[in-house]
Amino acid sequence: AQRVTQPEKLLSVFKGAPVELKCNYSYSGSPELFWYVQYSRQRLQLLLRHISRESIKGFTADLNKGETSFHLKKPFAQEEDSAMYYCALTGANNLFFGTGTRLTVIP
Amino acid sequence: GAGVSQSPRYKVAKRGQDVALRCDPISGHVSLFWYQQALGQGPEFLTYFQNEAQLDKSGLPSDRFFAERPEGSVSTLKIQRTQQEDSAVYLCASSLGAGDSYNEQFFGPGTRLTVL
Repeated sequence: AQRVTQPEKLLSVFKGAPVELKCNYSYSGSPELFWYVQYSRQRLQLLLRHISRESIKGFTADLNKGETSFHLKKPFAQEEDSAMYYCALTGANNLFFGTGTRLTVIP
Repeated sequence: GAGVSQSPRYKVAKRGQDVALRCDPISGHVSLFWYQQALGQGPEFLTYFQNEAQLDKSGLPSDRFFAERPEGSVSTLKIQRTQQEDSAVYLCASSLGAGDSYNEQFFGPGTRLTVL
């Protein structure tokens, strides 16, 4: 069965500090993994996907199949990074989301 | 360009009432998804349409939930005889192609349903 686990509901870091949002998954097959973000009073939007191997707004995420993880990282957090972050994996026709981590960047 | 829109944005219903939630996807998007997001949880899949065909409704929690997309564009999620456990934000998303992993889903602002 598909499952996405985000162990931290809340995460606070100081501006300029590194940040890592954890995501572990279980999936029978080769998953496609995503990070979605929801800024205050905005709609849910795609941040990045593993297949693109891209860096968006300074964030990167590496798929580790051995550890079944897809942690989101940024070396220097900014205040505008404060938001709700959801890790998701795709099944055949839909997305499975984790419960989300609320990141607060303290000025 | 216009994104996915949903109406109403907020809905309060008395237990036992029927409600209808509307989703206008991005023009030309083939795929449409409905998700339910309870407080403190991530979105959970309800159903998926490819054009007017409902290809997956495995996430609908009971037969009180019904969704349609008759002309392959606007979709309506209907909940009959609402219960308190139906209180949640209902999210609609659309994507350009078929609902496979390579297509980004664009989300609407959601409809917050409160059942009293």
